[in-house]
Amino acid sequence: DIQMTQSPSSLSASVGDRVTITCRASQGISNYLAWFQQKPGKAPKSLIYAASSLQSGVPSKFSGSGSGTDFTLTISSLQPEDFATYYCQQYNSYPITFGGGTKVEIK
Amino acid sequence: EVQLVESGGVVVQPGGSLRLSCAASGFTFDDYTMHWVRQAPGKGLEWVSLISWDGGSTYYADSVKGRFTISRDNSKNSLYLQMNSLRTEDTALYYCAKGASLLLWGQGTLVTVSS
Repeated sequence: DIQMTQSPSSLSASVGDRVTITCRASQGISNYLAWFQQKPGKAPKSLIYAASSLQSGVPSKFSGSGSGTDFTLTISSLQPEDFATYYCQQYNSYPITFGGGTKVEIK
Repeated sequence: EVQLVESGGVVVQPGGSLRLSCAASGFTFDDYTMHWVRQAPGKGLEWVSLISWDGGSTYYADSVKGRFTISRDNSKNSLYLQMNSLRTEDTALYYCAKGASLLLWGQGTLVTVSS
């Protein structure tokens, strides 16, 4: 199985900060990488697929990059509505696996 | 409106069985691979199972293989998860999700396995 390792597991940031979350796959997954945002009590929401493609309706402050084993999610200017938990997920091979999540909290 | 609505979650005893359903609307259901993903209370996301657009291919997490069965009825725009031999560790919110990259999720249905 492909292990997905996210870092950090949590971070504190201020409104307006640039935030970067990393995700590392235990073996190459090409660009079969997605990012999700989950707020408390809500279902996950797809932000990015194919490592860098923005889902329809997702603001451009979110961006993704990477290929192979190393990936990043960047939020260019953190806003109050962005405080949430973020997950990466590989869909290159089965079983599909998720990272452990990164909780973004208010500093 | 494009949406997925799960149902069927209840409290069940260990060793029991349950069938979850997911009703799809607003899109061409049989164009898409569908998934079940679960989240135990206070924990992260765990992929459970996938079924191809025509039901011809299915895949499972090792944790549920041999106990859970995914199926779909494209004529009813519905996805199902038959859960047998339930264990306390199966307690979770179960989501259905659409597409290879899980681009749309339902709101989830809660399964509690407890005596």
